[in-house]
Amino acid sequence: NAGVTQTPKFQVLKTGQSMTLQCAQDMNHEYMSWYRQDPGMGLRLIHYSVGAGITDQGEVPNGYNVSRSTTEDFPLRLLSAAPSQTSVYFCASRQRGGRYNEQFFGPGTRLTVL
Amino acid sequence: AQSVTQPDIHITVSEGASLELRCNYSYGATPYLFWYVQSPGQGLQLLLKYFSGDTLVQGIKGFEAEFKRSQSSFNLRKPSVHWSDAAEYFCAVAAGGSQGNLIFGKGTKLSVKP
Repeated sequence: NAGVTQTPKFQVLKTGQSMTLQCAQDMNHEYMSWYRQDPGMGLRLIHYSVGAGITDQGEVPNGYNVSRSTTEDFPLRLLSAAPSQTSVYFCASRQRGGRYNEQFFGPGTRLTVL
Repeated sequence: AQSVTQPDIHITVSEGASLELRCNYSYGATPYLFWYVQSPGQGLQLLLKYFSGDTLVQGIKGFEAEFKRSQSSFNLRKPSVHWSDAAEYFCAVAAGGSQGNLIFGKGTKLSVKP
């Protein structure tokens, strides 16, 4: 199993550009989520999904869109990038069965918006 | 509101010395608590978790944590630190509801002196 994979690893955007961060998992996990990590802020939840076709907002959803058409994939879209979205983005997944289940994290995407 | 506080931003210990990283949580019901470790440039890896039962939890890499309800704490400990333990450590609580989104503390960076 590859676990949770994310592409790209690094990305530089100009203000106003759009892009999609890819996330895929091969563990048949129903729950998937996106976090951003900023220095001194820990990880903050952007969006999450409890299954194909179901998504919801987390703590910091503004400026981001998500969709979940398959169990495996959960892409994160930046429609018009802003410098405030410079961050490291992590995708995670877990089995839906209980809140005690471990979340597995991808290696992250480091995004810089100029 | 649910929250996690890690009072120490940065800790330095000598190799071979003992380690304790502090974590305090705010949660109304029985908490589901986690410790994750992040090595430089990597994703997060689960060290251990607590959701019920014995209040002393054993994890990977020789770490343990003790849940103290009276103090709303879930401190992480290791009797003898190795240089490879240098990393950032995050405490997290699973929020309520079936989705159980993780709420992270801001992290504690551990440096190890030779």
